[in-house]
Amino acid sequence: SQTIHQWPATLVQPVGSPLSLECTVEGTSNPNLYWYRQAAGRGLQLLFYSVGIGQISSEVPQNLSASRPQDRQFILSSKKLLLSDSGFYLCASYRPGTASTFGSGTRLTVV
Amino acid sequence: DQQVKQNSPSLSVQEGRISILNCDYTNSMFDYFLWYKKYPAEGPTFLISISSIKDKNEDGRFTVFLNKSAKHLSLHIVPSQPGDSAVYFCAASATGGGNKLTFGTGTQLKVEL
Repeated sequence: SQTIHQWPATLVQPVGSPLSLECTVEGTSNPNLYWYRQAAGRGLQLLFYSVGIGQISSEVPQNLSASRPQDRQFILSSKKLLLSDSGFYLCASYRPGTASTFGSGTRLTVV
Repeated sequence: DQQVKQNSPSLSVQEGRISILNCDYTNSMFDYFLWYKKYPAEGPTFLISISSIKDKNEDGRFTVFLNKSAKHLSLHIVPSQPGDSAVYFCAASATGGGNKLTFGTGTQLKVEL
């Protein structure tokens, strides 16, 4: 079965600072990978998804970017954080025949 | 535009009784529906799913019902247990959509002793 590793678990960053969140996947190969964000009091919103190395699709215009340098590695980045980037960020992995599996998430607070 | 809606932000039931969580969707292209359970500071865990070719799927204490004409699905938990207390998210996807999930805003279930 798939296991998703995300780090860090919590992060407090000042406005204008850069961001790098990493997600790695174990137990599968060639997965679709996703970054979701849960803002306070809201559902999970899809930010990016990737069907392969170097292939990134953005779902909403925003201050963030994503990269997939390896098959099982997905990175979420920002050059300059905004207050509105605060939220709970979740990485997910999907293979056909299974439901999407989520990591444990990163709580980002921009101050 | 909220394509998946969970209109009840919270639900409280007594232990042993049935919990019914509801979800409505607007996009007729959705053909696969899932329920996830989430504890605070953790990622969602998959509970149960249903394809649009079915109207019911059961797994132990959990049953999901789908009414395509009404664009409505529900999750039944019976009997409810204190460990079921969590936020439940309904999600939907469309074939050919890269398994991108559209989530509802969640329902906080509290099972009381």
